[in-house]
Amino acid sequence: AQSVTQLGSHVSVSEGALVLLRCNYSSSVPPYLFWYVQYPNQGLQLLLKYTTGATLVKGINGFEAEFKKSETSFHLTKPSAHMSDAAEYFCAVSDYGGSQGNLIFGKGTKLSVKP
Amino acid sequence: GAVVSQHPSWVICKSGTSVKIECRSLDFQATTMFWYRQFPKQSLMLMATSNEGSKATYEQGVEKDKFLINHASLTLSTLTVTSAHPEDSSFYICSAPRTGGGSPLHFGNGTRLTVT
Repeated sequence: AQSVTQLGSHVSVSEGALVLLRCNYSSSVPPYLFWYVQYPNQGLQLLLKYTTGATLVKGINGFEAEFKKSETSFHLTKPSAHMSDAAEYFCAVSDYGGSQGNLIFGKGTKLSVKP
Repeated sequence: GAVVSQHPSWVICKSGTSVKIECRSLDFQATTMFWYRQFPKQSLMLMATSNEGSKATYEQGVEKDKFLINHASLTLSTLTVTSAHPEDSSFYICSAPRTGGGSPLHFGNGTRLTVT
């Protein structure tokens, strides 16, 4: 069975500061990993994904994440936070590539950005 | 632009009535669609997998007679909440995989259901 743990339900940073959202996963097979962002009362938008190959994945809006198998982690980072980054972020894992199967989501981390 | 359209974006209904939510793939065919439910400040929980031309597959604990799913075409899946109760109030989101190219799921913008 697969699972996702997001450490910290709420993260607050200052504008311009580093953003670090933590995600650890559990999977018995090589995982496919995703980060999604959700704005209030909206669906989810894909930020980035890891399937195979390069472990450092770059996504939209300046976000990136690194797959570390030894640590079973897929933390999301952004060097400099913008006010527009304030949203809910979900880490997800799939063993079907995410394109044919469903995703297992973490509980989400709400990011607040202070001026 | 959006590739999955969900309608309505919000709906208020009275207890005992039924509500239908539509999920459409706009520029691709989706033989499979997924329906999620999201409670306030919680993650998305998969309710069921909608399969075009066949019965939906429901997750454990989801009442199939209450949450009716129909996937009548390759671009449309509907979720009907029957005899709605206040505890059914939630945010419902659909998603569809675009096959090929390794693309992940595309999500609708969700439907906020409030049952009074």
